[in-house]
Parts: sequence; C-alpha cells; structure tokens
Amino acid sequence: AQSVTQPDIHITVSEGASLELRCNYSYGATPYLFWYVQSPGQGLQLLLKYFSGDTLVQGIKGFEAEFKRSQSSFNLRKPSVHWSDAAEYFCAVGSAGGTSYGKLTFGQGTILTVHP
Amino acid sequence: KAGVTQTPRYLIKTRGQQVTLSCSPISGHRSVSWYQQTPGQGLQFLFEYFSETQRNKGNFPGRFSGRQFSNSRSEMNVSTLELGDSALYLCASSLSLNGGWETQYFGPGTRLLVL
Repeated sequence: AQSVTQPDIHITVSEGASLELRCNYSYGATPYLFWYVQSPGQGLQLLLKYFSGDTLVQGIKGFEAEFKRSQSSFNLRKPSVHWSDAAEYFCAVGSAGGTSYGKLTFGQGTILTVHP
Repeated sequence: KAGVTQTPRYLIKTRGQQVTLSCSPISGHRSVSWYQQTPGQGLQFLFEYFSETQRNKGNFPGRFSGRQFSNSRSEMNVSTLELGDSALYLCASSLSLNGGWETQYFGPGTRLLVL
C-alpha cells in the first residue's frame, strides 16, 4: 500500500529565509506526486505536481519540488518565504488504475509559521 | 471557469441523524472524489465516482455512501451520525478524459459538526 511521510509537523522560518519541506513516499511504481497548501478553514490548493519527465517541477507562488526516485522523496522548496506563505502543506501520492482510481494518499501535513 | 463548489459550507447535526453533502465539479470534469479531514486522522479517502459509477472506496463503514449524477454532480450521505463524524469533508474533481488518473482540484469543503 502506498504511504506518504512528512517528517516535520511544524516548521518556523523568518520572512525572506529559504524553505524546504520534506516528503517521502512508499510506492512500487512511479507515483503521481503532488503538493497542496491549505489555509485555515479552506480547501486544498494545488501548488505543483509531478507525473513524469523533468524531475524538477515549478509551481505557483514561487515554489518548486524535486523528485528523487533513489530517495523516494519529493521535497518542496522556496528560496524566499513571504508572510502569506504561512499555512499547512500536504504532500500526496496517487497511482493509476486498479484499486487506486481517484485516490490520493496524503501525508500528515507540515504547518509553516513565518516570523516577520 | 468556476471551481469546485460544495454545499452547504457548514452544518450542525445531532447524533443519530443523517446528512447529505453536495459537490459540483469543475465544468467538464467527470471524476469526483471525497475525503474526510480530521485533526486526528488527517486526510482520508472516502470514495471516487466516474460516470455515475463508484470505482473506488476507502476504509469507511457502510454509513458513508455516495452517488454521482449524469451531470457529474455528486452527493455523499452519512447515516446515523456519530460524534466522530465531525470533520471537514472535501470534494475534489478531475478531468479524467479517458477514465485515467489526473490532477484533482479541491472544493472549499463542508464543515460538519455532530453534537
């Protein structure tokens, strides 16, 4: 069964500092990988996705993520954090076909706090 | 293009009652998935519908059910509500042109409180 681990429950950074949120997945084949962001009381907004091809993917709001098959990781990065980036971030994995139609498996989420 | 919409946004029910939540997908999207989000269990997959057929179901009791209409709108129903059903219920839609896997776009959710 596929699983996703986000090792950091809570991260605090200063505004303008760089950010890296970690995500490790467990899945046999090449997964479909996603990062979503959720503000309090809101739904999930897609930041970026990886299906295949270039392992470094660019997303919205200046975020990027790198797929590393050898490490089963899909870490999210941003070079300079803004106060508006404070939110909860979720890494998710999907797979094709079989019993996996339409099912995303999510990590537990990482809460990002940004200090001025 | 309008996003995924969910109604109602907030709901308060008492134990033993039943509830129906509605989801309207992005226009043209054919797949709808439902998730439950709680502080303790995080985001958990409930079920997925495509062309009015349930293709996948998560590990939830039979009290949780759903359906999809010919216009791709979906409803989920929870019967005999329990306190533990209090959660944010999220709906997501995807294009799924050929029935395959594609990016899911989420609605704002329905916050259900069971008293």
